Amino acid sequence: IAGITQAPTSQILAAGRRMTLRCTQDMRHNAMYWYRQDLGLGLRLIHYSNTAGTTGKGEVPDGYSVSRANTDDFPLTLASAVPSQTSVYFCASSVETSGRDEQFFGPGTRLTVL
Amino acid sequence: GQNIDQPTEMTATEGAIVQINCTYQTSGFNGLFWYQQHAGEAPTFLSYNVLDGLEEKGRFSSFLSRSKGYSYLLLKELQMKDSASYLCAVRGTDSWGKLQFGAGTQVVVTP
Repeated sequence: IAGITQAPTSQILAAGRRMTLRCTQDMRHNAMYWYRQDLGLGLRLIHYSNTAGTTGKGEVPDGYSVSRANTDDFPLTLASAVPSQTSVYFCASSVETSGRDEQFFGPGTRLTVL
Repeated sequence: GQNIDQPTEMTATEGAIVQINCTYQTSGFNGLFWYQQHAGEAPTFLSYNVLDGLEEKGRFSSFLSRSKGYSYLLLKELQMKDSASYLCAVRGTDSWGKLQFGAGTQVVVTP
């Protein structure tokens, strides 16, 4: 089934631990994005990539890193998790980054950092 | 940067009409999106406006006025399944095409 998958679905993590959230899409979309969603704040962009091999920082990049080794995968890494990174994380992709190219979202990862 | 405002919550009765307003202040504009998000699920695309005017798609319509920095999403013939959060998002003019999202409007449909 075409779309975006994320793993894990949910995770409880001790502060200070390293964690990688996985995101894979099979739609051959060029652009991919990572958002976090917190109550009352909406979706905030963490990092993005408009093609394999290139990435950029979004609104809230501190404490996170990404890589885009190929078109399909866009993992998000928390090098040393802190409680303020407790959130729901959504990965998204779009064909391109212009015009009416809508973003398709994955099912999300609920992360709790204790 | 961009600032996007929309009401936090709206309540309406099944079968009625609800209008969700979104105002934005932006240094560059390249389109406005509306997404629907049910509780515990991912956002899904509803509509896109880049020119002034009304775009109609079944029970949902979206309006844009670029000069006023204003959009609304109109939901007609409300159904219980329309209870969800509705997100307004603006695309900037940088080459990355990033979206800036509002905090979302929770619509509660009552019987």
